[in-house]
Amino acid sequence: DQQVKQNSPSLSVQEGRISILNCDYTNSMFDYFLWYKKYPAEGPTFLISISSIKDKNEDGRFTVFLNKSAKHLSLHIVPSQPGDSAVYFCAAILNRDDKIIFGKGTRLHILP
Amino acid sequence: AAGVIQSPRHLIKEKRETATLKCYPIPRHDTVYWYQQGPGQDPQFLISFYEKMQSDKGSIPDRFSAQQFSDYHSELNMSSLELGDSALYFCASREGYNEQFFGPGTRLTVL
Repeated sequence: DQQVKQNSPSLSVQEGRISILNCDYTNSMFDYFLWYKKYPAEGPTFLISISSIKDKNEDGRFTVFLNKSAKHLSLHIVPSQPGDSAVYFCAAILNRDDKIIFGKGTRLHILP
Repeated sequence: AAGVIQSPRHLIKEKRETATLKCYPIPRHDTVYWYQQGPGQDPQFLISFYEKMQSDKGSIPDRFSAQQFSDYHSELNMSSLELGDSALYFCASREGYNEQFFGPGTRLTVL
């Protein structure tokens, strides 16, 4: 049973526009949420995280929004750049020292 | 900055053979995690170690075993390999309550 769900396998966005990647989860006990970015032939790279007690975290072009009542989070990338083309994994953990539970990923294509 | 090192990067084995994957965590990182990512799948947690002791266990087959050594590197031993074991195997390491940092992965192909 998938506890972290990314329902869009792929997304195409024009360069310079906003990319919005969505994620839903089922376990209300998750304490921490993360986004990882993955290029081919590389391991996942940590991008940004958010604690369950917050609703927004921003780091440069990347902002993560958390809606606990809807069990939904999203990653906003603005402006989108060609180097942002990658697979983005939404992930969650129960405690800070816990294993990561990943979604299936969304492949983001930034179009010139 | 030093990253997580995994070796080998690619491995081809026959069915029923044995494979050993190695992971060298970032210096001072005391926790190591192993994940398996099948084709088109999300990474799935296998097992983790903290200070050389197993700390958590996920969907790891009995044919697999792992350990963390005194220098904190970890090895994942896989025996009686099956076709379904073909996957990317990622190792991640962490220091304290910081985020997990992933290695580049080992791609295992079982023929």
